[in-house]
Amino acid sequence: EPEVTQTPSHQVTQMGQEVILRCVPISNHLYFYWYRQILGQKVEFLVSFYNNEISEKSEIFDDQFSVERPDGSNFTLKIRSTKLEDSAMYFCASTGRTNTEAFFGQGTRLTVV
Amino acid sequence: GIQVEQSPPDLILQEGANSTLRCNFSDSVNNLQWFHQNPWGQLINLFYIPSGTKQNGRLSATTVATERYSLLYISSSQTTDSGVYFCAGDDKIIFGKGTRLHILP
Repeated sequence: EPEVTQTPSHQVTQMGQEVILRCVPISNHLYFYWYRQILGQKVEFLVSFYNNEISEKSEIFDDQFSVERPDGSNFTLKIRSTKLEDSAMYFCASTGRTNTEAFFGQGTRLTVV
Repeated sequence: GIQVEQSPPDLILQEGANSTLRCNFSDSVNNLQWFHQNPWGQLINLFYIPSGTKQNGRLSATTVATERYSLLYISSSQTTDSGVYFCAGDDKIIFGKGTRLHILP
């Protein structure tokens, strides 16, 4: 069964460092998303991406964040100059069309120390 | 933006009990989904249910789109059902705060 794959599963980084979280969406999907879940809290929308550009972004997704689809399979989230409060689980998701069933990756647990 | 309310926030039940979880949306959505977040943090798709009723084993879900709510039913609960249940919908796939279910052996 097709699935969304995220790497790494865990990442520990020092405050101020840049991190890149990677996702491989389901191959025939066209819409891609990133979410953040701080421990014990709800899953929060960060950004959606379609046709090589950002469709929508939340107020959380400030200049510290960027997304890219560098090739035909990967979808990345870059966090520049990480802060302690960026520690969270980050999920990638993809859908075939807008407003259809979404499939989520297993998440990357980011710890900023 | 759309608001998603889930109730109850927490639920503790004995193994074998039945439960009903509710999800209300502030506006119409046409892609409502239910997820189970397991102890490892993974989001497991339970149902994609924009409207109507679906069943999968001991779990079933009903969405009344015209009234902007959905219900998730869990029958004969098992300890492996423990975890957080989320509903989500909208083009940005907005999540509720979840219902934390704890099944006691």
